[in-house]
Amino acid sequence: QQQVKQSPQSLIVQKGGISIINCAYENTAFDYFPWYQQFPGKGPALLIAIRPDVSEKKEGRFTISFNKSAKQFSLHIMDSQPGDSATYFCAASPYTGTASKLTFGTGTRLQVTL
Amino acid sequence: DTAVSQTPKYLVTQMGNDKSIKCEQNLGHDTMYWYKQDSKKFLKIMFSYNNKELIINETVPNRFSPKSPDKAHLNLHINSLELGDSAVYFCASSQDKTGYSNQPQHFGDGTRLSIL
Repeated sequence: QQQVKQSPQSLIVQKGGISIINCAYENTAFDYFPWYQQFPGKGPALLIAIRPDVSEKKEGRFTISFNKSAKQFSLHIMDSQPGDSATYFCAASPYTGTASKLTFGTGTRLQVTL
Repeated sequence: DTAVSQTPKYLVTQMGNDKSIKCEQNLGHDTMYWYKQDSKKFLKIMFSYNNKELIINETVPNRFSPKSPDKAHLNLHINSLELGDSAVYFCASSQDKTGYSNQPQHFGDGTRLSIL
């Protein structure tokens, strides 16, 4: 059962453009929605995260938009750069009171061209 | 200084063998995790330990046995390796503790396991 659906699978954006990756979830118990960036040969690294009490969070060129009623959230990368070329994963976790239990999306391979 | 380090980086072995992967974190975190990333890059949690206590065990075959000698180390031992075990295994850690969950997770660079 795929609890977090991510699209598109791959994305090509020109330098300076906006990259948009979308995720949808089913489990209404999810309470934490992070985005991770992964470069080849490296582990995922936390990029930005949001909790459902806000509809938007911005950190530099990266923005998460969150729609609780639609059970959707998205990552916007403004002024995309070649160095942003990587695989991006959305994830979600319920509040467990102990360890996080992240469910990941299937990933989006972003390529930013010159 | 590497925050979450895994060894070995690559592991190539025959079907049926037993192998271990080691993980250490120097972040002072209480919670550590093991994830499996398959050939399609799908990431799935396997285990989580909080201060040496098993918290999450996600329907992983009992051929996989995590061991946490102290809260800075979480090792993964795999018995009777099968072809389907070929994947990249990631260790991670976070500041999660009782009453304080969903904190940022820091991942190691992975161990690529190939079964011949």
